[in-house]
Amino acid sequence: KNQVEQSPQSLIILEGKNCTLQCNYTVSPFSNLRWYKQDTGRGPVSLTIMTFSENTKSNGRYTATLDADTKQSSLHITASQLSDSASYICVVSDRGSTLGRLYFGRGTQLTVWP
Amino acid sequence: EADIYQTPRYLVIGTGKKITLECSQTMGHDKMYWYQQDPGMELHLIHYSYGVNSTEKGDLSSESTVSRIRTEHFPLTLESARPSHTSQYLCASSAPTGVNTEAFFGQGTRLTVV
Repeated sequence: KNQVEQSPQSLIILEGKNCTLQCNYTVSPFSNLRWYKQDTGRGPVSLTIMTFSENTKSNGRYTATLDADTKQSSLHITASQLSDSASYICVVSDRGSTLGRLYFGRGTQLTVWP
Repeated sequence: EADIYQTPRYLVIGTGKKITLECSQTMGHDKMYWYQQDPGMELHLIHYSYGVNSTEKGDLSSESTVSRIRTEHFPLTLESARPSHTSQYLCASSAPTGVNTEAFFGQGTRLTVV
């Protein structure tokens, strides 16, 4: 069964600190993996997208890694800011259908305290 | 910023009422989706469309219906709203399937049925 599991479920850190969020997936055949940021009450916004051959991709203070062999990804946030408080969702796409199905994790709720 | 819009953003309505949630995109995308998301939970696909006059049900059973008469417009209708329909509804669209295909989300409609 195609699944996406994220950990931790929630995380509280102090402003300025770094943190790493984890994503494990069983989606096959794999097409790509995205990390989205979802502010409360709003739609998800894409942070990074990685294909099978990509190991690392950065977007400002966000750095995503992908290990396609172990089917694991991480999102590292550097020098956190209050505006980073949001839910971070790992989304994996398969390439086994014309739809290009998206499989969503439940997200990690990050809270940054001053 | 993605050009996909949902209205209304918030809706409080009485049981038994008929409602239509609007979703429009100006990117010319053929694929459009409706997701349902409860607080702290993952997004569940309830409807999708490959193009005009194409609609399919998603993974999560829903009493709602959709239509796709125009490429840019993908409304969702509930004939008789119930408290169990209270949730956030997110609309998304994506370009033709490819390695880097990305889904763009609207801001969501938070529906409360009292």
